[in-house]
Amino acid sequence: QAHLVESGGGVVQPGRSLRLSCSASGFTFNQHGMHWVRQAPGRGLEWLTVITFDGKRNFYAGSVKGRFIVSRDNFRRQVYLQMNSLTTEDTAVYYCVKGVVTNSTYFFDSWGQGTLVTVSS
Amino acid sequence: SSEVTQPPSVSVSPGHTARITCSGDVLASQFANWYQQKAGQAPVLIIYKDTERPSGIPERFSASSSGTTVILVITGVQVEDEADYYCQSVDLTGVTHAIFGGGTKLTVL
Repeated sequence: QAHLVESGGGVVQPGRSLRLSCSASGFTFNQHGMHWVRQAPGRGLEWLTVITFDGKRNFYAGSVKGRFIVSRDNFRRQVYLQMNSLTTEDTAVYYCVKGVVTNSTYFFDSWGQGTLVTVSS
Repeated sequence: SSEVTQPPSVSVSPGHTARITCSGDVLASQFANWYQQKAGQAPVLIIYKDTERPSGIPERFSASSSGTTVILVITGVQVEDEADYYCQSVDLTGVTHAIFGGGTKLTVL
Protein backbone atom coordinates (compact mmCIF):
# COMPACT_ATOMS: atom_id res chain seq x y z
CA GLN A 1 0.00 0.00 0.00
CA ALA A 2 1.58 3.23 -1.18
CA HIS A 3 1.97 5.96 1.40
CA LEU A 4 2.93 9.54 0.58
CA VAL A 5 3.63 12.25 3.13
CA GLU A 6 4.19 15.86 2.13
CA SER A 7 5.96 18.43 4.25
CA GLY A 8 7.33 21.92 3.96
CA GLY A 9 4.16 23.94 3.61
CA GLY A 10 3.53 27.14 5.51
CA VAL A 11 3.11 30.87 5.16
CA VAL A 12 5.47 32.69 2.81
CA GLN A 13 5.61 36.25 1.52
CA PRO A 14 5.00 37.06 -2.14
CA GLY A 15 8.15 36.83 -4.21
CA ARG A 16 9.81 34.39 -1.84
CA SER A 17 10.59 30.70 -2.28
CA LEU A 18 9.51 27.50 -0.59
CA ARG A 19 10.53 23.88 -0.98
CA LEU A 20 8.10 21.03 -0.50
CA SER A 21 9.14 17.46 0.17
CA CYS A 22 7.31 14.20 -0.26
CA SER A 23 8.35 10.98 1.40
CA ALA A 24 7.22 7.78 -0.29
CA SER A 25 6.85 4.25 1.01
CA GLY A 26 5.00 1.02 0.28
CA PHE A 27 5.80 0.71 -3.41
CA THR A 28 8.73 0.42 -5.80
CA PHE A 29 9.49 4.12 -5.89
CA ASN A 30 12.01 4.10 -8.73
CA GLN A 31 9.47 2.59 -11.12
CA HIS A 32 6.91 5.37 -11.00
CA GLY A 33 6.61 8.89 -12.23
CA MET A 34 5.70 11.28 -9.45
CA HIS A 35 3.44 14.28 -9.78
CA TRP A 36 2.43 17.39 -7.88
CA VAL A 37 -1.19 18.53 -7.99
CA ARG A 38 -2.56 21.53 -6.14
CA GLN A 39 -5.95 22.77 -5.05
CA ALA A 40 -6.60 26.41 -4.27
CA PRO A 41 -9.15 27.09 -1.50
CA GLY A 42 -12.63 26.22 -2.74
CA ARG A 43 -11.33 25.38 -6.21
CA GLY A 44 -10.66 22.29 -8.29
CA LEU A 45 -7.58 20.19 -8.87
CA GLU A 46 -4.73 21.57 -10.94
CA TRP A 47 -1.94 19.35 -12.23
CA LEU A 48 1.44 21.05 -11.90
CA THR A 49 4.32 18.80 -12.83
CA VAL A 50 5.63 15.29 -13.31
CA ILE A 51 9.09 13.81 -12.95
CA THR A 52 9.79 10.50 -14.64
CA PHE A 53 10.73 7.39 -12.71
CA ASP A 54 14.43 7.90 -13.35
CA GLY A 55 14.40 11.64 -12.78
CA LYS A 56 15.66 12.35 -16.28
CA ARG A 57 12.63 14.20 -17.59
CA ASN A 58 10.09 16.57 -16.16
CA PHE A 59 7.14 18.51 -17.49
CA TYR A 60 5.27 21.49 -16.13
CA ALA A 61 1.92 23.19 -16.42
CA GLY A 62 2.12 26.61 -17.99
CA SER A 63 1.11 28.29 -14.73
CA VAL A 64 4.32 27.20 -12.97
CA LYS A 65 6.80 26.62 -15.78
CA GLY A 66 9.94 28.63 -15.18
CA ARG A 67 9.13 29.15 -11.48
CA PHE A 68 8.76 25.65 -10.04
CA ILE A 69 11.31 22.85 -10.22
CA VAL A 70 10.57 19.20 -9.49
CA SER A 71 13.29 16.76 -8.50
CA ARG A 72 13.62 13.38 -6.85
CA ASP A 73 16.05 11.25 -4.91
CA ASN A 74 15.35 7.60 -5.56
CA PHE A 75 17.78 6.48 -2.88
CA ARG A 76 15.96 8.46 -0.20
CA ARG A 77 12.52 7.86 -1.80
CA GLN A 78 11.82 11.55 -1.84
CA VAL A 79 10.26 13.97 -4.30
CA TYR A 80 10.75 17.72 -4.05
CA LEU A 81 9.04 20.79 -5.39
CA GLN A 82 11.07 23.98 -5.36
CA MET A 83 8.69 26.91 -5.70
CA ASN A 84 10.14 30.30 -6.60
CA SER A 85 8.69 33.76 -7.18
CA LEU A 86 5.54 32.83 -5.32
CA THR A 87 2.40 34.88 -5.72
CA THR A 88 -0.91 34.89 -3.90
CA GLU A 89 -2.27 32.79 -6.77
CA ASP A 90 -0.05 29.94 -5.57
CA THR A 91 -1.94 29.66 -2.30
CA ALA A 92 -3.22 26.09 -2.25
CA VAL A 93 -2.99 22.62 -0.80
CA TYR A 94 -0.20 20.79 -2.62
CA TYR A 95 -0.54 17.06 -3.14
CA CYS A 96 2.22 14.61 -3.95
CA VAL A 97 0.79 11.94 -6.23
CA LYS A 98 1.94 8.58 -7.56
CA GLY A 99 1.37 8.06 -11.24
CA VAL A 100 0.61 4.81 -13.03
CA VAL A 101 1.39 4.62 -16.74
CA THR A 102 -0.67 2.33 -18.92
CA ASN A 103 -1.64 2.23 -22.60
CA SER A 104 -0.03 5.60 -23.34
CA THR A 105 -1.95 7.31 -20.60
CA TYR A 106 -1.67 7.63 -16.87
CA PHE A 107 -3.70 8.00 -13.74
CA PHE A 108 -3.07 8.71 -10.07
CA ASP A 109 -3.59 5.81 -7.72
CA SER A 110 -2.14 7.23 -4.49
CA TRP A 111 -2.25 10.72 -3.05
CA GLY A 112 -0.60 12.27 -0.04
CA GLN A 113 -2.66 14.10 2.55
CA GLY A 114 -1.49 17.45 1.16
CA THR A 115 0.42 20.38 2.59
CA LEU A 116 -0.97 23.90 2.71
CA VAL A 117 1.01 26.75 1.21
CA THR A 118 -0.23 30.24 1.96
CA VAL A 119 1.35 33.14 0.12
CA SER A 120 0.59 36.32 1.98
CA SER A 121 2.29 39.50 3.08
CA SER B 1 -4.43 22.77 -24.98
CA SER B 2 -6.99 20.05 -24.23
CA GLU B 3 -9.73 20.46 -21.67
CA VAL B 4 -12.57 18.47 -20.17
CA THR B 5 -15.84 19.85 -18.86
CA GLN B 6 -18.08 18.70 -16.02
CA PRO B 7 -21.33 20.08 -14.63
CA PRO B 8 -20.72 22.04 -11.41
CA SER B 9 -23.32 20.16 -9.44
CA VAL B 10 -25.60 17.13 -9.44
CA SER B 11 -28.25 16.30 -6.87
CA VAL B 12 -29.74 12.91 -6.14
CA SER B 13 -31.87 11.24 -3.49
CA PRO B 14 -30.50 8.32 -1.49
CA GLY B 15 -31.01 5.00 -3.25
CA HIS B 16 -31.33 6.59 -6.66
CA THR B 17 -28.81 6.72 -9.51
CA ALA B 18 -26.45 9.62 -10.09
CA ARG B 19 -24.81 10.34 -13.43
CA ILE B 20 -21.94 12.77 -13.82
CA THR B 21 -20.70 13.63 -17.28
CA CYS B 22 -17.28 14.66 -18.49
CA SER B 23 -16.88 15.95 -22.03
CA GLY B 24 -13.97 16.94 -24.20
CA ASP B 25 -12.43 16.22 -27.58
CA VAL B 26 -9.46 14.58 -25.92
CA LEU B 27 -11.73 11.82 -24.60
CA ALA B 28 -12.25 10.49 -28.11
CA SER B 29 -8.69 9.20 -28.05
CA GLN B 30 -7.56 9.22 -24.43
CA PHE B 31 -8.80 7.36 -21.37
CA ALA B 32 -10.65 9.08 -18.56
CA ASN B 33 -10.15 8.52 -14.87
CA TRP B 34 -12.37 9.56 -11.97
CA TYR B 35 -11.56 10.70 -8.45
CA GLN B 36 -13.76 11.19 -5.43
CA GLN B 37 -12.84 13.90 -2.94
CA LYS B 38 -14.74 14.17 0.31
CA ALA B 39 -14.61 17.37 2.32
CA GLY B 40 -11.22 17.94 3.88
CA GLN B 41 -9.69 14.82 2.36
CA ALA B 42 -7.35 13.98 -0.47
CA PRO B 43 -8.82 12.66 -3.73
CA VAL B 44 -9.26 8.91 -4.18
CA LEU B 45 -9.14 7.08 -7.51
CA ILE B 46 -12.49 5.37 -8.18
CA ILE B 47 -12.38 4.63 -11.93
CA TYR B 48 -9.41 4.34 -14.30
CA LYS B 49 -9.03 3.67 -18.01
CA ASP B 50 -12.65 4.70 -18.65
CA THR B 51 -14.35 1.79 -16.91
CA GLU B 52 -11.97 -0.06 -14.59
CA ARG B 53 -12.61 -0.02 -10.85
CA PRO B 54 -9.70 -0.29 -8.39
CA SER B 55 -9.90 -2.90 -5.68
CA GLY B 56 -11.80 -1.68 -2.66
CA ILE B 57 -14.09 0.63 -4.61
CA PRO B 58 -17.75 -0.38 -4.22
CA GLU B 59 -19.48 -1.92 -7.21
CA ARG B 60 -22.09 0.83 -7.23
CA PHE B 61 -19.45 2.99 -8.92
CA SER B 62 -19.18 2.41 -12.67
CA ALA B 63 -18.53 4.39 -15.80
CA SER B 64 -19.11 4.34 -19.52
CA SER B 65 -17.51 6.03 -22.47
CA SER B 66 -18.85 7.08 -25.84
CA GLY B 67 -17.08 9.38 -28.24
CA THR B 68 -16.10 12.57 -26.49
CA THR B 69 -18.12 11.95 -23.34
CA VAL B 70 -17.61 9.74 -20.35
CA ILE B 71 -20.18 9.20 -17.64
CA LEU B 72 -19.63 8.25 -14.02
CA VAL B 73 -22.61 6.30 -12.71
CA ILE B 74 -23.34 5.74 -9.04
CA THR B 75 -26.20 3.32 -8.51
CA GLY B 76 -28.01 3.13 -5.19
CA VAL B 77 -26.43 6.37 -4.00
CA GLN B 78 -25.62 6.50 -0.31
CA VAL B 79 -25.32 9.55 1.91
CA GLU B 80 -21.59 8.86 2.21
CA ASP B 81 -21.20 9.35 -1.55
CA GLU B 82 -21.70 13.08 -1.15
CA ALA B 83 -18.42 14.50 -2.43
CA ASP B 84 -16.69 16.29 -5.27
CA TYR B 85 -15.94 14.16 -8.31
CA TYR B 86 -13.21 14.96 -10.83
CA CYS B 87 -12.53 13.44 -14.21
CA GLN B 88 -8.96 13.42 -15.47
CA SER B 89 -7.27 12.66 -18.75
CA VAL B 90 -4.06 13.58 -20.49
CA ASP B 91 -3.20 16.34 -22.89
CA LEU B 92 -3.40 15.46 -26.57
CA THR B 93 -0.19 17.31 -27.32
CA GLY B 94 2.15 14.71 -25.94
CA VAL B 95 0.52 12.84 -23.11
CA THR B 96 2.86 14.58 -20.73
CA HIS B 97 0.35 16.85 -19.06
CA ALA B 98 -2.60 15.73 -17.03
CA ILE B 99 -5.85 17.64 -17.25
CA PHE B 100 -8.68 17.73 -14.73
CA GLY B 101 -12.27 18.67 -15.17
CA GLY B 102 -13.54 21.44 -12.96
CA GLY B 103 -15.21 18.98 -10.62
CA THR B 104 -18.83 18.12 -9.86
CA LYS B 105 -20.33 18.51 -6.41
CA LEU B 106 -22.64 15.57 -5.76
CA THR B 107 -25.30 16.42 -3.22
CA VAL B 108 -27.31 13.60 -1.69
CA LEU B 109 -30.62 15.10 -0.64
